[in-house]
Amino acid sequence: NAGVTQTPKFRILKIGQSMTLQCTQDMNHNYMYWYRQDPGMGLKLIYYSVGAGITDKGEVPNGYNVSRSTTEDFPLRLELAAPSQTSVYFCASSGTSGGYNEQFFGPGTRLTVL
Amino acid sequence: QKEVEQDPGPLSVPEGAIVSLNCTYSNSAFQYFMWYRQYSRKGPELLMYTYSSGNKEDGRFTAQVDKSSKYISLFIRDSQPSDSATYLCAHNAGNMLTFGGGTRLMVKP
Repeated sequence: NAGVTQTPKFRILKIGQSMTLQCTQDMNHNYMYWYRQDPGMGLKLIYYSVGAGITDKGEVPNGYNVSRSTTEDFPLRLELAAPSQTSVYFCASSGTSGGYNEQFFGPGTRLTVL
Repeated sequence: QKEVEQDPGPLSVPEGAIVSLNCTYSNSAFQYFMWYRQYSRKGPELLMYTYSSGNKEDGRFTAQVDKSSKYISLFIRDSQPSDSATYLCAHNAGNMLTFGGGTRLMVKP
């Protein structure tokens, strides 16, 4: 199993540009998450999904959109990039939301907005 | 007040030292507490979890929860250079995890 894969690994955007960060998991997990990680700030939840067709906002959703048309894929869309969105973005998945809710993370996408 | 708080470090120790990493949390209703380890330029991975109060040991690692003081600890015995990473504590808040800011640990040979 590849686990959670993310593309691209790196990207530089200009202010106002748009892009989609791709996330795919092959573990048949229902739950998927998008986080951003700023230096020394831990992980902030952007959006999450409890299954295909169902998404919900996390702690920092402004400036982002998501969709979940299949169990495997959970893309994150940035419509009008701003310097404040410079961060490392991690996608994660889990098989359950209860208990210790082990989440499996992808390798991350490093995004710079100039 | 943040739900989970950690000292960001960095914490630098010599190889073989005992390391203590700590978090405080605000909501006494939390039951599951996790420690994730994140190597540089990698995604986090689950290291250990504990339920409610008490200790849990796994090899050189011990996770401890003190619910009376709302304190979570991770102890690493005989630390190795390969333990150099950022350690994030987390709790399960229903459908999502809430993470602390992470503590960067450096173990020097």
